[in-house]
Amino acid sequence: EVQLLESGGGLVKPGGSLRLSCAASGFTFRTYKMNWVRQAPGKGLEWVSSIDGSASYIDHAESVEGRFTISRDNAKNSLYLQMNSLRAEDTAVYYCARGGYSSGWYVFDYWGLGALVTVSS
Amino acid sequence: DIQMTQSPSSLSAAVGDRVTITCRSSQTISTYLNWYQQKPGKAPKLLIYAASSLQSGVPSRFSGSGSGTDFTLTISTLQPEDFATYYCQQSYTTAALTFGGGTKVEIK
Repeated sequence: EVQLLESGGGLVKPGGSLRLSCAASGFTFRTYKMNWVRQAPGKGLEWVSSIDGSASYIDHAESVEGRFTISRDNAKNSLYLQMNSLRAEDTAVYYCARGGYSSGWYVFDYWGLGALVTVSS
Repeated sequence: DIQMTQSPSSLSAAVGDRVTITCRSSQTISTYLNWYQQKPGKAPKLLIYAASSLQSGVPSRFSGSGSGTDFTLTISTLQPEDFATYYCQQSYTTAALTFGGGTKVEIK
């Protein structure tokens, strides 16, 4: 059974840093592209970052470019999101999502439960 | 980035109703369009991919259609468990994935 479990969320002051982790199990982690997707309170979904299986290809949304860094450790079946220079507008639930291919179409096929990040003084 | 626009943003419907949600992309995306369902406090769940293909395990009352820039999600006979928020998402540009703003389906 595929499982994704985020950790590392919490309260941080504006300008501060936080590192999220996502522990994956139930599939061959190194062969999948992984993503972070966030959802601000009462708002919609926003894709944040993606990383391919070998960490050769990395993409970030413009809203976090230069502040957030996605990474992975395939030996530990873990995905990370280093968040620096945090702003109030970064307050959200952050989901770890697996990027799968359904008949060739890229989808977010499994999601974690989410980790809440609150940026406030 | 490709902008995704959903309408309506919310709707009220009764059990048994037929519900249609629309999603429009700012540029053509062929059929690189997915639909997700999200219930309060839960992670999203994939319903439909490639605009019209039903994800395994999803009830057949859900269907999707469209190509190019205009897409629809239809629930043929609304069930109590279908009250949720629905999001479209384009995967045409995997370097900049984008979601629609969501459509909340509420009980009438």
